[in-house]
Amino acid sequence: AQSVSQHNHHVILSEAASLELGCNYSYGGTVNLFWYVQYPGQHLQLLLKYFSGDPLVKGIKGFEAEFIKSKFSFNLRKPSVQWSDTAEYFCAVNAQGGYKLSFGAGTTVTVRA
Amino acid sequence: GAVVSQHPSWVICKSGTSVKIECRSLDFQATTMFWYRQFPKQSLMLMATSNEGSKATYEQGVEKDKFLINHASLTLSTLTVTSAHPEDSSFYICSAKMFGSSNYGYTFGSGTRLTVV
Repeated sequence: AQSVSQHNHHVILSEAASLELGCNYSYGGTVNLFWYVQYPGQHLQLLLKYFSGDPLVKGIKGFEAEFIKSKFSFNLRKPSVQWSDTAEYFCAVNAQGGYKLSFGAGTTVTVRA
Repeated sequence: GAVVSQHPSWVICKSGTSVKIECRSLDFQATTMFWYRQFPKQSLMLMATSNEGSKATYEQGVEKDKFLINHASLTLSTLTVTSAHPEDSSFYICSAKMFGSSNYGYTFGSGTRLTVV
């Protein structure tokens, strides 16, 4: 079974700062990778996903993530955050051909104006 | 886009009673739906996979008789928490899997906050 590890529990930064959230997974086979965001009081929304091809994936709201297969990592980045990026961010993975999503513990991002 | 509607968004019930949570796919057919439980400040934990027309598949440690799942149609899955106790208080989220090269992924309901008093 796959597992997901997110390195940061809580990140606090100022507007315009750059953001990078770490995500590593453990699985021996080929995977699909996702980043989801959960704004306060709202449901999970997909930021971006990786299935195959270019390991640098661009998502919504200016986010991007890079899949590094050798490191089993899928880190999320944003060059310049806004106050509205305050939310909980979850990395998730499922085995290709499978259907179960495994989530990381989540990272709370607080952006100060 | 694909939308999953979850109802109710919050519910308070007395200990010992049962609560039903509905999850509907509004503009697509969902042969497979998932039920998650999320504790405060923690990740989503998969409870069970709901398959239309067949029995749900429960994750290890999840009580089948306590968390009854029914997926009677391609657009509706229900989770019933039976004989609820305070330790069942949590945030429950449903999700549906979408198929197709352009839509592959998952869409999530808005969640149900269950408080058992």
